[in-house]
Amino acid sequence: DSGVTQTPKHLITATGQRVTLRCSPRSGDLSVYWYQQSLDQGLQFLIQYYNGEERAKGNILERFSAQQFPDLHSELNLSSLELGDSALYFCASSVDEGVHTEAFFGQGTRLTVV
Amino acid sequence: AQSVTQLDSQVPVFEEAPVELRCNYSSSVSVYLFWYVQYPNQGLQLLLKYLSGSTLVKGINGFEAEFNKSQTSFHLRKPSVHISDTAEYFCAVSERGGGNKLTFGTGTQLKVEL
Repeated sequence: DSGVTQTPKHLITATGQRVTLRCSPRSGDLSVYWYQQSLDQGLQFLIQYYNGEERAKGNILERFSAQQFPDLHSELNLSSLELGDSALYFCASSVDEGVHTEAFFGQGTRLTVV
Repeated sequence: AQSVTQLDSQVPVFEEAPVELRCNYSSSVSVYLFWYVQYPNQGLQLLLKYLSGSTLVKGINGFEAEFNKSQTSFHLRKPSVHISDTAEYFCAVSERGGGNKLTFGTGTQLKVEL
């Protein structure tokens, strides 16, 4: 158990809908990252937050948004969902934003868009 | 921008045999290098990382990797594998000064057989 909690574990929704994925980082970790893992794109970095502020953006679509709350949990919002958004979404956390600290990954949320 | 190539999508090997999983990277700046392992239905777990110093890095579960700057490689090795090593292995790179944003390779499925 990495200490990073993601909910829900599975989500099935229809095209055009909006969903929210939740991530609780390890206790004491200030940085949160979101990754998308799909068969065609592989593992892709989406976005990073550090202590409530956006720090880095990767290949995140405009239909997607995220935020980190004062209690340091984070949410990834996916809207106007398309079939191609079906993927495993991982959250990771680390103590700070530097690469010298290990990022711990949650077990992921499997999103299926039908 | 950095990129990672894992040429072998699958590597079958017999138990107690040695294994090498190949990883090559491309970047215009200095990089940090990582190997992660993903067991079925699990999140990613850090095996080892190269930040600086000795080019031979030892990680968990008996794995090691060697950073070769001239060949831009970071191959993962284990002298004797076990059935429990069956998993998907991801090589990742992060550019120095680029925060903790990881760029992952497409993964190598290691299948250990009796």
